[in-house]
Amino acid sequence: DTEVTQTPKHLVMGMTNKKSLKCEQHMGHRAMYWYKQKAKKPPELMFVYSYEKLSINESVPSRFSPECPNSSLLNLHLHALQPEDSALYLCASSQGSGTSSYEQYFGPGTRLTVT
Amino acid sequence: AQSVTQPDIHITVSEGASLELRCNYSYGATPYLFWYVQSPGQGLQLLLKYFSGDTLVQGIKGFEAEFKRSQSSFNLRKPSVHWSDAAEYFCAVGEGDTGRRALTFGSGTRLQVQP
Repeated sequence: DTEVTQTPKHLVMGMTNKKSLKCEQHMGHRAMYWYKQKAKKPPELMFVYSYEKLSINESVPSRFSPECPNSSLLNLHLHALQPEDSALYLCASSQGSGTSSYEQYFGPGTRLTVT
Repeated sequence: AQSVTQPDIHITVSEGASLELRCNYSYGATPYLFWYVQSPGQGLQLLLKYFSGDTLVQGIKGFEAEFKRSQSSFNLRKPSVHWSDAAEYFCAVGEGDTGRRALTFGSGTRLQVQP
């Protein structure tokens, strides 16, 4: 089963709200990723967790806060976002080591709108 | 740093015709190469991958790609396109020798299929 699930599918939030995006996989993968994708653009890497530890942060603003409670779950906490943060947020996972660790499987994404 | 170029922003083909989508990468060492497909508002689905070995790789949905190191290319092909192949296609490269599990994506090629 190569499935990554994300909730919610759609989210509308105001600039003063606090919300969270959730991602789950049951493939035994030990690396998980957050990407941001604007319309008609490729995905841009935000964070990488490897064995539940943050290994890459692509200089993402602190209003985005990732969390990896266990090897199957990945959250993205959102606070005081700006309208330009509106985008499709994609979660992905991969094996933790070896060449297969580059083979990422994506969830369907959360469409975020900041008003 | 590595980069990926997809020279064609938009391609239109007739159903049943053959397809080739171009991808050029810039990376000095061992590139790990991928093709992903994305339907509107959806996540990315892995079509095929190349790590090493046979330079012609087969993927899902009847797609194949050929790695040509001398041309720094990894073009995607399909002998006969179906209407359901209409989507956005992304080529991606991973840094095969650094262990940095982050993919760099090309800007994408939008495929339209005419009946």
